[in-house]
Amino acid sequence: DGGITQSPKYLFRKEGQNVTLSCEQNLNHDAMYWYRQDPGQGLRLIYYSQIVNDFQKGDIAEGYSVSREKKESFPLTVTSAQKNPTAFYLCASSRDGATDTQYFGPGTRLTVL
Amino acid sequence: GDSVTQMEGPVTLSEEAFLTINCTYTATGYPSLFWYVQYPGEGLQLLLKATKADDKGSNKGFEATYRKETTSFHLEKGSVQVSDSAVYFCALMPRRAQKLVFGQGTRLTINP
Repeated sequence: DGGITQSPKYLFRKEGQNVTLSCEQNLNHDAMYWYRQDPGQGLRLIYYSQIVNDFQKGDIAEGYSVSREKKESFPLTVTSAQKNPTAFYLCASSRDGATDTQYFGPGTRLTVL
Repeated sequence: GDSVTQMEGPVTLSEEAFLTINCTYTATGYPSLFWYVQYPGEGLQLLLKATKADDKGSNKGFEATYRKETTSFHLEKGSVQVSDSAVYFCALMPRRAQKLVFGQGTRLTINP
């Protein structure tokens, strides 16, 4: 089955700790994205990557970091510098950076206590 | 900047009712337009899309037409089912940009 997997589905962390969210895809897509969703709001772009070893900041990159060492993987680290990290995080991918259709993973709900 | 405005929810309908969820956008040029659906606790699924003016996207009985003159992409379905209960997001992607711009979402509940 081709698709995007995110793990874990639920994640709890204490304030001040860094945490890394996993995103893997086996669609052979070049481009990958991280979005944040808050209750009652649309999604906002955190970071995106069009090719391996390259990524760009989105609208709300502060307090987050990413890496893209492999085509299939785009992990997101939520650092202690992120003021309000509790949210639903969604990973997406598309065939390439110019292709408009993005496909989403199931999401990870992060709660910082 | 680019933006999407959706009809405020929640929207509650009875089964077999006609559905319209309004979506208007502001963008330079001619963006691609999308409707995504999110079921409780899940990620987003692409419902339909349109890439140029007057295109009609359709899927699972849902339809939306790209109206350049009114900058709109309203979602419609002739007869809704309980299983259509979800949150619906309208989104645009500007030309030559990788970023999806989302509306705030509209929660739809269908009662039997």
